[in-house]
Amino acid sequence: KQEVTQIPAALSVPEGENLVLNCSFTDSAIYNLQWFRQDPGKGLTSLLLIQSSQREQTSGRLNASLDKSSGRSTLYIAASQPGDSATYLCAVRRSAAGNKLTFGGGTRVLVKP
Amino acid sequence: SAVISQKPSRDICQRGTSLTIQCQVDSQVTMMFWYRQQPGQSLTLIATANQGSEATYESGFVIDKFPISRPNLTFSTLTVSNMSPEDSSIYLCSGAQGGTDTQYFGPGTRLTVL
Repeated sequence: KQEVTQIPAALSVPEGENLVLNCSFTDSAIYNLQWFRQDPGKGLTSLLLIQSSQREQTSGRLNASLDKSSGRSTLYIAASQPGDSATYLCAVRRSAAGNKLTFGGGTRVLVKP
Repeated sequence: SAVISQKPSRDICQRGTSLTIQCQVDSQVTMMFWYRQQPGQSLTLIATANQGSEATYESGFVIDKFPISRPNLTFSTLTVSNMSPEDSSIYLCSGAQGGTDTQYFGPGTRLTVL
């Protein structure tokens, strides 16, 4: 059974500092991995999706890496801003046949002005 | 991309009653899902909503408690039946389009059961 872990559960940084968020999964046989952002009381916004054959994806200040063999993904957010304060969730998809996602517990980020 | 809306956005319900949550997608999606997010926790998949047939439920979730309908490719409902305070959660609908792997989520329905 796939288990997804995100450490730390919470993170507080001063504005301008780079953010590093970690995601680990127990079964390396994944189809892809997706990073989401969730604002308090809201739904999820997709940030980046990495296919199992890729090592990284970039979008603006966001960069996500994937090391499938070691069961790890890292989300980097450069030059953090107070607007980046949110909970960040990673989710892995097991196969191409089904879209079921297994989520980590999330990292709650606070960027202080 | 797909834009997903849910109704209601929140509700407060009495124990023993039922609530039906609606999910509408602005474009056709091949797959639709219902997730639950209990307070302070991450998302857990309840079921896959199948068009025109019974939903596929995950372990720990049953049709009698969470009946799901999906009459077409853009609409689904989830009913939370015979509610208890333990059902207080955010319920989220999601969808994925054929040919793309990104899964999109609705804004969620925050349910409080007294």
